[in-house]
Amino acid sequence: DADVTQTPRNRITKTGKRIMLECSQTKGHDRMYWYRQDPGLGLRLIYYSFDVKDINKGEISDGYSVSRQAQAKFSLSLESAIPNQTALYFCATSDLTGYGYTFGSGTRLTVV
Amino acid sequence: AQKITQTQPGMFVQEKEAVTLDCTYDTSDQSYGLFWYKQPSSGEMIFLIYQGSYDEQNATEGRYSLNFQKARKSANLVISASQLGDSAMYFCAMREAFNTDKLIFGTGTRLQVFP
Repeated sequence: DADVTQTPRNRITKTGKRIMLECSQTKGHDRMYWYRQDPGLGLRLIYYSFDVKDINKGEISDGYSVSRQAQAKFSLSLESAIPNQTALYFCATSDLTGYGYTFGSGTRLTVV
Repeated sequence: AQKITQTQPGMFVQEKEAVTLDCTYDTSDQSYGLFWYKQPSSGEMIFLIYQGSYDEQNATEGRYSLNFQKARKSANLVISASQLGDSAMYFCAMREAFNTDKLIFGTGTRLQVFP
């Protein structure tokens, strides 16, 4: 099994719908992140969490919310999806070494 | 603000040749880390190599090496003996100040290896 699991892998949703992307990890890491990838823009940070009670906005948090249900679970929600949120979304974790990052396989989201 | 710049949108290299992918960074922090990731067409992010700002020697991992020039703020990836399977997007990234551990990514370079 993957260390960082994202579900679903692919999703097509309609404009205005609420959608949740889920991430679970078996790494035992406290730090978790949600990134978004658009063509030509690299990955940009949406939200990050250092523990269950510590959640912080990244550079592009508007239109998104997150929930850290447990150390191992970090969910990203789009309250009312819009077409420009069509992107590849990555969940990641990190340890305390400063270089121990693990990425999930990504969720490809299409908003029509 | 920290920033990563990758100026090569696309690169071509012949199989078995070496190729250098450029990365420059901007930071005022003394302690930082630099990463290279490979993203094949399947989409996953594959970690290749890491260089810490205090590491005196260039990092190497198999066919990958990182040419770290601190004064020039560059962290170029060198792939030796390119293989067809090296065709992918390559991203340079920097770990922000240690207590936040956020990664800042460049826009990537698409490498195509031809026979």
